[in-house]
Amino acid sequence: DVKVTQSSRYLVKRTGEKVFLECVQDMDHENMFWYRQDPGLGLRLIYFSYDVKMKEKGDIPEGYSVSREKKERFSLILESASTNQTSMYLCASSLGLASGGYNEQFFGPGTRLTVL
Amino acid sequence: SQQGEEDPQALSIQEGENATMNCSYKTSINNLQWYRQNSGRGLVHLILIRSNEREKHSGRLRVTLDTSKKSSSLLITASRAADTASYFCATWGYSTLTFGKGTMLLVSP
Repeated sequence: DVKVTQSSRYLVKRTGEKVFLECVQDMDHENMFWYRQDPGLGLRLIYFSYDVKMKEKGDIPEGYSVSREKKERFSLILESASTNQTSMYLCASSLGLASGGYNEQFFGPGTRLTVL
Repeated sequence: SQQGEEDPQALSIQEGENATMNCSYKTSINNLQWYRQNSGRGLVHLILIRSNEREKHSGRLRVTLDTSKKSSSLLITASRAADTASYFCATWGYSTLTFGKGTMLLVSP
């Protein structure tokens, strides 16, 4: 059974803290994604990666960075957390272009981050 | 950039009834996908329909795609309380999948 796991379901941090959100997939997928989900705004893409050490900005990358040192792991980093980064963060993975591209995405359970 | 837009935003029905949700998008697509999200959880892929397909079935799900109107519909037949969730359509753009804002479906026993 395919699986995407995220390090925490709930996280509470203080303004200015550096925050790490970890995502691990066990499907040997090339592509990995980070989204945030807010009421009324739907899912918005923050960053994605189509290979180890590769990263691409999504629609809302400001205030975030990412790291992909191993194929199975994709980390989202909030350099200096702010209250407007309070949100649900969703990680996803999918097969890459070599597998035909345009594939379905598999999602983790989400991390609900609150920044005080 | 929001590509798909679902309609209605919310839908409330009784168990056993059918639920229909619509999705409109703006640009040409390779495929269109539907996802379900139970409250506070991650999204689960339901069905994918390619741009050269017009209709697809999976269990109680029926998806149609009209590329001339840039629209899709998801029909859930004989709904159950367990179908209560948010439903999202998603389309592949240049290199990423773009999601709509979703339809919240409530199925009452």
